Amino acid sequence: DAGVIQSPRHEVTEMGQEVTLRCKPISGHDYLFWYRQTMMRGLELLIYFNNNVPIDDSGMPEDRFSAKMPNASFSTLKIQPSEPRDSAVYFCASALRKQGADRSYNSPLHFGNGTRLTVT
Amino acid sequence: QQQVKQSPQSLIVQKGGIPIINCAYENTAFDYFPWYQQFPGKGPALLIAIRPDVSEKKEGRFTISFNKSAKQFSLHIMDSQPGDSATYFCAAPGRRALTFGSGTRLQVQP
Repeated sequence: DAGVIQSPRHEVTEMGQEVTLRCKPISGHDYLFWYRQTMMRGLELLIYFNNNVPIDDSGMPEDRFSAKMPNASFSTLKIQPSEPRDSAVYFCASALRKQGADRSYNSPLHFGNGTRLTVT
Repeated sequence: QQQVKQSPQSLIVQKGGIPIINCAYENTAFDYFPWYQQFPGKGPALLIAIRPDVSEKKEGRFTISFNKSAKQFSLHIMDSQPGDSATYFCAAPGRRALTFGSGTRLQVQP
């Protein structure tokens, strides 16, 4: 299995531009998560999907952020318009089961290698 | 919301030393505490997780100790190697999903 695939690996854009990050989860995984990593705030959960349906987006910082999962093998995270404070590494992760569910120790999160976003 | 406090923020040990990373949590519905390891330029990857019915788990050189009454758990790395240099995250199940600690940057010097 190729694992979780994210693209692009690096994105540099100017403030105000639209940014789209892409993710292909591991086949068969029912859960998909978007995390953001910064030095100040560590790993923050932005949103997660179950069977392509957004379940909890309370971590999405602002209306400028949106995420979609049109099918089981693809998800996008869009920022429009982007701002310098959005600069971070964005990770997509997938899992067989919801984290925190009973026996979820058998269902680890599989992370992609992230997209490093720089907004100037 | 679940809070997980991790310490220390960074750690430097000599090869063969035993770095210890500590985490404390507030409340959790399930006793499930994984540790993730992250190398530069990579995403975190599950290193080891403790089952809900034991107080210690060992996998190779890595050991998790769990103190339920104190709401604390820790990671020990025996005979640490330079290849163990990475950032380590503890995590605990929150209402929404896993909540991660702030991370510990470990450097093992040759």
